[in-house]
Amino acid sequence: GAGVSQSPSNKVTEKGKDVELRCDPISGHTALYWYRQSLGQGLEFLIYFQGNSAPDKSGLPSDRFSAERTGGSVSTLTIQRTQQEDSAVYLCASSLAGGGQGGHQPQHFGDGTRLSIL
Amino acid sequence: KNEVEQSPQNLTAQEGEFITINCSYSVGISALHWLQQHPGGGIVSLFMLSSGKKKHGRLIATINIQEKHSSLHITASHPRDSAVYICAGITIFGNEKLTFGTGTRLTIIP
Repeated sequence: GAGVSQSPSNKVTEKGKDVELRCDPISGHTALYWYRQSLGQGLEFLIYFQGNSAPDKSGLPSDRFSAERTGGSVSTLTIQRTQQEDSAVYLCASSLAGGGQGGHQPQHFGDGTRLSIL
Repeated sequence: KNEVEQSPQNLTAQEGEFITINCSYSVGISALHWLQQHPGGGIVSLFMLSSGKKKHGRLIATINIQEKHSSLHITASHPRDSAVYICAGITIFGNEKLTFGTGTRLTIIP
């Protein structure tokens, strides 16, 4: 079965340009997460979608970052007016609905998009 | 201060050695993922546990809820185990987002 798919796998762009990163979660997974791994730093949470609930955007580092999830499936992370500090690997993960009575669910990660800002 | 602390940051061992990586976490975290990241970036979830012990092949993960501590053990280590191992906490507040440790870079020498 297909895992979490991310595209593109690599993206090089000039400072100031906008970029869109795509995540296609595992079919049937209602929870979707975006994380970022910067060079020399650890992984950090960016945004979380769960079903039709309002997303948790608490990890987005600035208002240049936004994400949407259409139809409860594919998600797009958009970075406007990119800066060099945005260079990182952007990882998407999905899971079945977790928390509450359902208990915790394991997250399945995509291979990430390596973003380089020149 | 990070809510999830890992040690050691780097670990080099000879093939066949028993490996232990430790993770301590703060109040508010109710379960942990142990993740493996190979060079090239892909992340795989090895275990998710909220109590007790889990075993898969040569890998064993334990968690002590009272002490807020978890360990990942590798028995009969092999060079293909060389990777970064990351402990990630899940909060108790319903949102399943992960809080990550800084990772342990493991190198197994043949």
